[in-house]
This record gives sequence, structure tokens and C-alpha cells, in this order.
Amino acid sequence: SQTIHQWPATLVQPVGSPLSLECTVEGTSNPNLYWYRQAAGRGLQLLFYSVGIGQISSEVPQNLSASRPQDRQFILSSKKLLLSDSGFYLCAWSVGGDEQYFGPGTRLTVT
Amino acid sequence: GQNIDQPTEMTATEGAIVQINCTYQTSGFNGLFWYQQHAGEAPTFLSYNVLDGLEEKGRFSSFLSRSKGYSYLLLKELQMKDSASYLCAPLGGGKLIFGQGTELSVKP
Repeated sequence: SQTIHQWPATLVQPVGSPLSLECTVEGTSNPNLYWYRQAAGRGLQLLFYSVGIGQISSEVPQNLSASRPQDRQFILSSKKLLLSDSGFYLCAWSVGGDEQYFGPGTRLTVT
Repeated sequence: GQNIDQPTEMTATEGAIVQINCTYQTSGFNGLFWYQQHAGEAPTFLSYNVLDGLEEKGRFSSFLSRSKGYSYLLLKELQMKDSASYLCAPLGGGKLIFGQGTELSVKP
């Protein structure tokens, strides 16, 4: 069966510090991968998606970036965090146009 | 453009039936998903409609009318554990577009 892992579960970082969140998927090949952010009391905002290794589409201009170094690994990064980057970050996968399955999420607080 | 509208909050009684409505405007529409999200947790998949009509899955049913840009999620025999946020998400241009969700509170 397929599983999706995200770490860390929670993170507190100072403004201006770098960020690296990792997501890995098991049990499937060539998935579509997604990064979402959910601010407190808000809906899910799609940040990046990837249909293959090295292929990244950015949905919202910001100071975040994403990379997909391996088929089942998706990384979200920032060189310098802003206060507004605080939120619940969710990684998801899908195969084709089917439903997306979400990882457990990382709760990021920028102080 | 993309637009999704669903009520912000709803309250219902344990054992009752509740209907959560969603209207949407999405380019390249190719189906609509409903997700459930408990506080502090990731969303979990509930249902998917690609054709008009009703899809039933246990206590949960979902309806779609593509011509009206309208969907609803019907929850029967409500239980306390159904208290959660319910997210309407049309698939447009190969991407899911999430609404802000409906916060459902189930009271005893």
C-alpha cells in the first residue's frame, strides 16, 4: 500500500533562517507531487506541483522553492523565512487525475 | 477565474442529516472532490464526482450538477466524530482548487 511521510511534524524557526521540509512517498511510481500551505483559519493554497523528477511548477510567487531530486522525494525550501510563511504545510500525491492523498503535515511557526 | 463558495460554519445534532453545499466556477473542470479535515490533521478523501448525479458511500453521499456548478455533501446519522471541516475541491486544469471549507459542529 502507498504511504506518504513528512518531517518534521512541527518546527519553530526565527525570521531570516533557512527552511527545508521533506516529503517521501512509498508504494507507487512516478506520482504527481504537491506542496500546499494552510494558514490558520484559511483554505489550502497550492504552492508547487511536480509531474516528474526535476519538473516543478510554481503556483504562487513567494520566497519558497521546491525540488524533486528523486521520483518519490519532494522538498520545500526557503533561504530566508518571513513571518508570513507560518502555516501548516502539506505534501500530497496522486496518480494521474485521481484523488490526492495527503501526508501528516508540518506545522511551521516563524518567530 | 476560479471561485468556490461554501458556508463557513454549520451546526447539527447527533443522529440528524446535514447537507453542505458548494458552488464553483472552475476552468477546465474535470470532477469534484470532497475532503474531511479534523482540526490539526491532514485532509482525508471522502468522495469524487465526475458525472452528474449522486454518489453514495455509506453514511456519506455527494451530488454534482456540472451545468449549475453545484455540488453537495450529505451526511446521514451524524456522529460526534463527524465534527470537522469539509472541503469542496473542484479539479480544474489538472489541479485541485480548495475552498475554505465548512466547519461542521455536531452537538449531542
